Amino acid sequence: DTAVSQTPKYLVTQMGNDKSIKCEQNLGHDTMYWYKQDSKKFLKIMFSYNNKELIINETVPNRFSPKSPDKAHLNLHINSLELGDSAVYFCASSQDSSNYGYTFGSGTRLTVV
Amino acid sequence: GQSLEQPSEVTAVEGAIVQINCTYQTSGFYGLSWYQQHDGGAPTFLSYNALDGLEETGRFSSFLSRSDSYGYLLLQELQMKDSASYFCAVRDRSNQAGTALIFGKGTTLSVSS
Repeated sequence: DTAVSQTPKYLVTQMGNDKSIKCEQNLGHDTMYWYKQDSKKFLKIMFSYNNKELIINETVPNRFSPKSPDKAHLNLHINSLELGDSAVYFCASSQDSSNYGYTFGSGTRLTVV
Repeated sequence: GQSLEQPSEVTAVEGAIVQINCTYQTSGFYGLSWYQQHDGGAPTFLSYNALDGLEETGRFSSFLSRSDSYGYLLLQELQMKDSASYFCAVRDRSNQAGTALIFGKGTTLSVSS
């Protein structure tokens, strides 16, 4: 059983389009995250949800909108995609917001052309 | 704010020992963790130090000195499969209600035969 699964694994789309990435965890964790990893492998926190409540919203363009229908799911919707949005997006979860042991999904490689 | 510094690249041969250093600066310190990421893969949790000293887990050990704001990951009996990127991370409180792991820029370890 995959602990943190995200779909799709690859996403190629044109500028201006809207796309979504889905994430689900079956670990029973309370906290979920979205990270963006750029071409230089820098991992940057975007959002964090704890029991469906948004607790971290870093400096991210408002074209990015997370949604957590329940504590096992955290989706990411991106409007009006730009070239600079090309990156690998990782979903992760942890037992709670103070835990250090994150479990990451396999990532979604987004390419905007 | 927070910042973490680690070397960008380290090279070593099979069977050798390598140490990857990390210095950090945070507004509130809750511990230092290490993650491994193979090319094309997801970051995976390796270790966590909340208190000063050395924590050993098999061939990998992690050290922390809170007074020096410094830690390191020690990899012994290197194997080819240890070729990966290694990230140190601290949990920090941004301007938000919660905390999340803030990652260093990663150290690429190349192990040759």
